[in-house]
Amino acid sequence: NAGVTQTPKFRILKIGQSMTLQCAQDMNHNYMYWYRQDPGMGLKLIYYSVGAGITDKGEVPNGYNVSRSTTEDFPLRLELAAPSQTSVYFCASSYGQGVPKNIQYFGAGTRLSVL
Amino acid sequence: KQEVTQIPAALSVPEGENLVLNCSFTDSAIYNLQWFRQDPGKGLTSLLLIQSSQREQTSGRLNASLDKSSGRSTLYIAASQPGDSATYLCAVNIGDMRFGAGTRLTVKP
Repeated sequence: NAGVTQTPKFRILKIGQSMTLQCAQDMNHNYMYWYRQDPGMGLKLIYYSVGAGITDKGEVPNGYNVSRSTTEDFPLRLELAAPSQTSVYFCASSYGQGVPKNIQYFGAGTRLSVL
Repeated sequence: KQEVTQIPAALSVPEGENLVLNCSFTDSAIYNLQWFRQDPGKGLTSLLLIQSSQREQTSGRLNASLDKSSGRSTLYIAASQPGDSATYLCAVNIGDMRFGAGTRLTVKP
């Protein structure tokens, strides 16, 4: 029962480097989400996807890109890492948006530091 | 703009005590509200979901209420246990989820 799997768990980047945070779910969920959580703050939505080939911006999309080529995978790309992107990143998925389908299941997170 | 606030930011109680966590939101136009639990280094686990038409939901020792008109929700935990120690987050669904910063709960044996 894997659920939502995120890799890597930890990463340190230098300013200007690029990386991709991986997210995979095995629940056949249509909806997938990327959030970031800064210390002492709530989660903020970066991007979300309602199905393969469809993505949309959330509250804080600047500096990030996403793609959704399959139902299972939803990678998040940082092109030019900046210290402001130091955060914990969570991926989540849900079956749909109508209640109760929109209960979101979360991965364990990726802790990213940009130095 | 929807703002979600949770007070207090941290709470420490002795084992066995009943306690209430508070969540307030600025715009009553929500689809539903969820309470999550977050353990250190882990993801979020959904505890309770209250639809906008509902007043409360119960699961075991947990009871969540929703007063949409006043923009408030409470999470009541009965007979707290050390295993309840975690951060509790509330989130409102306005099409996408808006989260509060959480209340860090410590239950001392």
